[in-house]
Amino acid sequence: GQNIDQPTEMTATEGAIVQINCTYQTSGFNGLFWYQQHAGEAPTFLSYNVLDGLEEKGRFSSFLSRSKGYSYLLLKELQMKDSASYLCAAMDSNYQLIWGAGTKLIIKP
Amino acid sequence: GAVVSQHPSWVICKSGTSVKIECRSLDFQATTMFWYRQFPKQSLMLMATSNEGSKATYEQGVEKDKFLINHASLTLSTLTVTSAHPEDSSFYICSARDLRENQPQHFGDGTRLSIL
Repeated sequence: GQNIDQPTEMTATEGAIVQINCTYQTSGFNGLFWYQQHAGEAPTFLSYNVLDGLEEKGRFSSFLSRSKGYSYLLLKELQMKDSASYLCAAMDSNYQLIWGAGTKLIIKP
Repeated sequence: GAVVSQHPSWVICKSGTSVKIECRSLDFQATTMFWYRQFPKQSLMLMATSNEGSKATYEQGVEKDKFLINHASLTLSTLTVTSAHPEDSSFYICSARDLRENQPQHFGDGTRLSIL
């Protein structure tokens, strides 16, 4: 079956670095997406990886290893506004997104 | 700026009322749109995949007669919650997939539905 696993909750300190891991199993693969969702709001797109390696975009970076079915989202210089849920989603061979349950990130001062 | 527009953003109505939610792609054509439901502190749950010009594909456990989906054009899909009851109160979110290569799904801002 198709499955996405990511931690339920993580806590980090303002100014620090945090890595949110995601493992996936899908029927075919057309890329891995990360979305950010603040409470009561719709998700917003953060990153997309389809090739192995690291994609850096400002304070956020995303990594993909297709052979391992593994991705991570790296957040640097954490700010209080980064407190949110981070959703990992893999696109299968039918271009359907398979969603993880999300990782709630709590930032402490 | 927003690429997917969803209206209304908030609805409060009496039990038994039908509620229509619109989802529009603003600067791209979307042959496929998705409707999600999210209960408090839970993950997104895909309800159905809306296909332009054809019937929607519903996920297991979602009543197609209760959640009517119409995708009449390449930029508009509507979800109608028929005879809504308090247990239908939730956050409903649509998304549209940009068919150009390597594009993510873009989400609307969501509709918070409260049935009294």
